[in-house]
Amino acid sequence: DADVTQTPRNRITKTGKRIMLECSQTKGHDRMYWYRQDPGLGLRLIYYSFDVKDINKGEISDGYSVSRQAQAKFSLSLESAIPNQTALYFCATSLSGTGNTGELFFGEGSRLTVL
Amino acid sequence: SQQGEEDPQALSIQEGENATMNCSYKTSINNLQWYRQNSGRGLVHLILIRSNEREKHSGRLRVTLDTSKKSSSLLITASRAADTASYFCAAVPRAGGTSYGKLTFGQGTILTVHP
Repeated sequence: DADVTQTPRNRITKTGKRIMLECSQTKGHDRMYWYRQDPGLGLRLIYYSFDVKDINKGEISDGYSVSRQAQAKFSLSLESAIPNQTALYFCATSLSGTGNTGELFFGEGSRLTVL
Repeated sequence: SQQGEEDPQALSIQEGENATMNCSYKTSINNLQWYRQNSGRGLVHLILIRSNEREKHSGRLRVTLDTSKKSSSLLITASRAADTASYFCAAVPRAGGTSYGKLTFGQGTILTVHP
């Protein structure tokens, strides 16, 4: 089984719909991240959480919200989806603490299309 | 703005040739990491170089770091068709700043290795 699991893997929705992308991990990591990937723009950080009670905005948080339900679960919501939120979304985890490198472990991605 | 900026954006070579990708970043770093992404898949960590290191090897990979120029390069020697992928650098900011713990990525280099 994958260490970082994203659901759904693919989703097509319509403008104005509420969408939730879920991420769960079995790595025991405390830090979790949501990135968005668009062609030619690389990965951009949407939100990140360094522990269950910590939520921080990334570069492009407008139009998105997150919830850290448990150490192992971090969900991303689009309250009212719009076409320019069509993208590939990645969840990632890392381990904090002295000596840790910040290496990210990624899920396989959730491809979202907003019509 | 992106911490890591890769150059070139695309690179096309023949099997057996070497591939060199460059990365620039903007702030003081704890370490710099390189990731690989097969088409539409999650990113996978390749190699990490710490700020006090100048060169590091792992198999056919060689990474250099020049902190005075805020730049890094990834060399893949004796490339194979299976090396075809996108490659991203990610800079891990030094501890103590507001960016600590957040990896930010550039647009990546698309490498195509022809058999």
